[in-house]
Amino acid sequence: AQTVTQSQPEMSVQEAETVTLSCTYDTSESDYYLFWYKQPPSRQMILVIRQEAYKQQNATENRFSVNFQKAAKSFSLKISDSQLGDAAMYFCAYRRAGGTSYGKLTFGQGTILTVHP
Amino acid sequence: NAGVTQTPKFQVLKTGQSMTLQCAQDMNHEYMSWYRQDPGMGLRLIHYSVGAGITDQGEVPNGYNVSRSTTEDFPLRLLSAAPSQTSVYFCASATFFAPGELFFGEGSRLTVL
Repeated sequence: AQTVTQSQPEMSVQEAETVTLSCTYDTSESDYYLFWYKQPPSRQMILVIRQEAYKQQNATENRFSVNFQKAAKSFSLKISDSQLGDAAMYFCAYRRAGGTSYGKLTFGQGTILTVHP
Repeated sequence: NAGVTQTPKFQVLKTGQSMTLQCAQDMNHEYMSWYRQDPGMGLRLIHYSVGAGITDQGEVPNGYNVSRSTTEDFPLRLLSAAPSQTSVYFCASATFFAPGELFFGEGSRLTVL
């Protein structure tokens, strides 16, 4: 079974600074997808960024970027120019490719990010 | 644009009681699922459905029942509530054309006494 591990229960960053959240995963599959989801204090979870395992190029979405190291099974999220609105719990998630797995995600434990003004 | 709607947002039950958490989506998504969120454990998949009339078990299905009679609705039933089912429950939907991009409801906080 696939597992996703987020070893940082909490992180903090100063506004306008950069922070990196860590995620490792374990799988025997060669084709899969990785995600970072954000859960603000209002609790509704939203997708931040997605990475396809077959793509070598790291995904970026504005201030959010990932460092995808397939051999090391590592998938970290970098938030640049942190803003107060970035404060949330962040979840790393894994999904097998293909078939009916398209909605079945395995989530990590989550990392609470605090942004200080 | 409602997206995924869950009701109720809060519920307190006594051990042994049954209840249904409602979930509806208006995006015509094929896939719907229920997760529970517990501190230090992230989100765990309870049940999921890839279309009307089709359901399957996730990682932690015991004590829960689901059905999918329409594309829009995916209720989660607690058959006989136990304190271990105290949790925050999230319904999520997805379309085949955006794999893994789950759209979540706001969550339902359930306390079982």
